[in-house]
Amino acid sequence: EAQVTQNPRYLITVTGKKLTVTCSQNMNHEYMSWYRQDPGLGLRQIYYSMNVEVTDKGDVPEGYKVSRKEKRNFPLILESPSPNQTSLYFCASSSTSYNEQFFGPGTRLTVL
Amino acid sequence: DQQVKQNSPSLSVQEGRISILNCDYTNSMFDYFLWYKKYPAEGPTFLISISSIKDKNEDGRFTVFLNKSAKHLSLHIVPSQPGDSAVYFCAASARISNFGNEKLTFGTGTRLTIIP
Repeated sequence: EAQVTQNPRYLITVTGKKLTVTCSQNMNHEYMSWYRQDPGLGLRQIYYSMNVEVTDKGDVPEGYKVSRKEKRNFPLILESPSPNQTSLYFCASSSTSYNEQFFGPGTRLTVL
Repeated sequence: DQQVKQNSPSLSVQEGRISILNCDYTNSMFDYFLWYKKYPAEGPTFLISISSIKDKNEDGRFTVFLNKSAKHLSLHIVPSQPGDSAVYFCAASARISNFGNEKLTFGTGTRLTIIP
């Protein structure tokens, strides 16, 4: 089954404790992206990747890092999480940046 | 600055009637528009899209209309069915040069409820 998976689905952590949210797709897609969804703000793009080792900032990259060492994986790294990063996070992928994106099921993160 | 706006946070429609969801944008560089549908506890799923060279695109019960002069697009669902109850996001991108949709700007979403 073609899908985008994210882990964990739910995470509660404390300020300053480094964490990684994994994202994996099995569709051999070149393009991957991370979004956060917040009430009243919709979905905002954090980072995206056009291919392996090619990443760029979206609209809200502060406080986040990404890497793309393999085509299928695009982890989101929070080196020192803060409460304002409490949000619902979505990973997405598509065959090219011109095609419609497939979204993962989301990761709900709470930073205390 | 919200470049893509969905001014109605919620909408209720009787089953069988037409649902009309609206979206406004401010960036004149946007030239490709998409609608995504989201159920609770799931990621958004692509519904329909339209390029700025068109003013209408139809796919089954779903039709998207684009009014470039007004910087407005709408999604029509007819007839509305209970399974259409979800949050709908419009999104826009500027496909300039050789770039694609890598930078998508989303609206805040409209929660559609279909009343049986």
